[in-house]
Amino acid sequence: DTAVSQTPKYLVTQMGNDKSIKCEQNLGHDTMYWYKQDSKKFLKIMFSYNNKELIINETVPNRFSPKSPDKAHLNLHINSLELGDSAVYFCASSQTGTHAGELFFGEGSRLTVL
Amino acid sequence: LAKTTQPISMDSYEGQEVNITCSHNNIATNDYITWYQQFPSQGPRFIIQGYKTKVTNEVASLFIPADRKSSTLSLPRVSLSDTAVYYCLVEGSARQLTFGSGTQLTVLP
Repeated sequence: DTAVSQTPKYLVTQMGNDKSIKCEQNLGHDTMYWYKQDSKKFLKIMFSYNNKELIINETVPNRFSPKSPDKAHLNLHINSLELGDSAVYFCASSQTGTHAGELFFGEGSRLTVL
Repeated sequence: LAKTTQPISMDSYEGQEVNITCSHNNIATNDYITWYQQFPSQGPRFIIQGYKTKVTNEVASLFIPADRKSSTLSLPRVSLSDTAVYYCLVEGSARQLTFGSGTQLTVLP
């Protein structure tokens, strides 16, 4: 069983469209994250949810909206897609303790905006 | 936030020991040091984590000097399959989970 799964793996779309990426974890973790990896391999945190509550919201355009229906799911919806949104988006989860602990990542969703 | 600095790339040969050093001069008292490995088209994978001195597991060792301003990931006897990007991450809470650009390790035959 895949611990952290994301769908779709690849997404090609036109500028201005709206798209969603789904993430599910079966590890029983209470914290989930969305990361963006650009072409230079920087992995930048976008959002973090703890027990369905938003705890990190970095400087991300409000076209990006995370939604957590329950603590095992964290979806990412992107409105009015722009060329600069092209990247690989990773979902991750962890069990929060005294520090963030080990992050478990999904396989990534490669978004290409044309 | 504790910023980390790593070499952009390193080359090694199969069977050698590889040491990748990460600088984190502004590390805070509560921060832990964690290393991740990422293969192409995959998400990063946890390798090892430590707070001070030395930590060893089945795949790597992590050396942290007393001042904790740097750390060294040591990979014994690397193979071609160890070619990947290695990230050093300093984290004290869930808010400090931004990775740097990592070190591209290339293992040559």
